Amino acid sequence: AQSVAQPEDQVNVAEGNPLTVKCTYSVSGNPYLFWYVQYPNRGLQFLLKYITGDNLVKGSYGFEAEFNKSQTSFHLKKPSALVSDSALYFCAVRDIRGNTGFQKLVFGTGTRLLVSP
Amino acid sequence: SQTIHQWPATLVQPVGSPLSLECTVEGTSNPNLYWYRQAAGRGLQLLFYSVGIGQISSEVPQNLSASRPQDRQFILSSKKLLLSDSGFYLCAWRATAGAPYEQYFGPGTRLTVT
Repeated sequence: AQSVAQPEDQVNVAEGNPLTVKCTYSVSGNPYLFWYVQYPNRGLQFLLKYITGDNLVKGSYGFEAEFNKSQTSFHLKKPSALVSDSALYFCAVRDIRGNTGFQKLVFGTGTRLLVSP
Repeated sequence: SQTIHQWPATLVQPVGSPLSLECTVEGTSNPNLYWYRQAAGRGLQLLFYSVGIGQISSEVPQNLSASRPQDRQFILSSKKLLLSDSGFYLCAWRATAGAPYEQYFGPGTRLTVT
């Protein structure tokens, strides 16, 4: 089964510094990977995805993610963090259900990002 | 553009009472629809998904049920709520035309069972 792991429960970074939120994956076949952000009491917002092509994927709000096949990682990055980036971040991988071909996303446990002023 | 609505936004219900949460999607046709529950502000648990009207699949056995009476309407129900049903319920959709693998989420319903 496809899975992702987010090894950090929380990441703390000062405003203006670069940030990285880590995600590793375990898949059979080619991975389709996603990042989402969730602000308090809100739904998840899609940030970016990797399907194929360039290993560096650019997304919303200045975020980008680097796909690394040899390390089976898909880390989320931003060159300069903002206090408003403080939120819960989820990594996800596409999973296809058996013979039905139905697609679902398998989510990691989430990483809380705290950006201090 | 597509939008997804959920209501109510918050709900406080006593144990044993019925539940009905509604989700509607605008601006797309024949979407895949999903219900998730998020407990304690963390991990997401997929509860149900639907590929079409009247077609519901359950991911985990539980006290809840789902229905899709119209193409863009997805309803989560319970006949008798349990304390353990408390949580943040999220509806999501995915387009089936083209190759858009990502899901888009609604604003969620915070359910507290007392």
